[in-house]
Amino acid sequence: GAGVSQSPSNKVTEKGKDVELRCDPISGHTALYWYRQSLGQGLEFLIYFQGNSAPDKSGLPSDRFSAERTGGSVSTLTIQRTQQEDSAVYLCASSSQSRVSGANVLTFGAGSRLTVL
Amino acid sequence: AQTVTQSQPEMSVQEAETVTLSCTYDTSESNYYLFWYKQPPSRQMILVIRQEAYKQQNATENRFSVNFQKAAKSFSLKISDSQLGDTAMYFCAFARTGNQFYFGTGTSLTVIP
Repeated sequence: GAGVSQSPSNKVTEKGKDVELRCDPISGHTALYWYRQSLGQGLEFLIYFQGNSAPDKSGLPSDRFSAERTGGSVSTLTIQRTQQEDSAVYLCASSSQSRVSGANVLTFGAGSRLTVL
Repeated sequence: AQTVTQSQPEMSVQEAETVTLSCTYDTSESNYYLFWYKQPPSRQMILVIRQEAYKQQNATENRFSVNFQKAAKSFSLKISDSQLGDTAMYFCAFARTGNQFYFGTGTSLTVIP
């Protein structure tokens, strides 16, 4: 597609429920990132996928958080047993970055705003 | 680990004036990339400018320019002729080849009419 697409744009859920957030990156982009942004705060790194390499999961805050990327394209971020502190905007970004070509530009989606009641 | 520091949480500037946003970073690498991203109230992150560390010449994009001081590990953004549409959060970011991006905590810029 023309840009990075995220869905849903807004999600309201009850504490304890599981949620899935989807990211459809730009076609051909090998790198995909998930970030979390709490209200008025900076970007907190969650997870990074690069091609067929094992993902860098070092930013996931707890084992309730997981992410997968199927076929090197679409990614799903899953939050199990949601807590109120999980409320934030979850941003996805993709890049044509590779270990050979260097750090190219990150293109961001519009984000998914999660509210846990 | 790489760190990116933006020491100005909030700034304001009069329309048509010039403003400079500060960013410092810490790394032991010699080859890397630096970026400024803008996030307006719509929350869509937009690339403003990109600098490759091996290039000595400062990057420029229309009204936006950077002052890249590699030895001092400083990467400030200058916005000339500020416009109302420049009101946004500005994030400085660092990336190494084939690796993740690191973002600062952001500077909230308000352009006053």
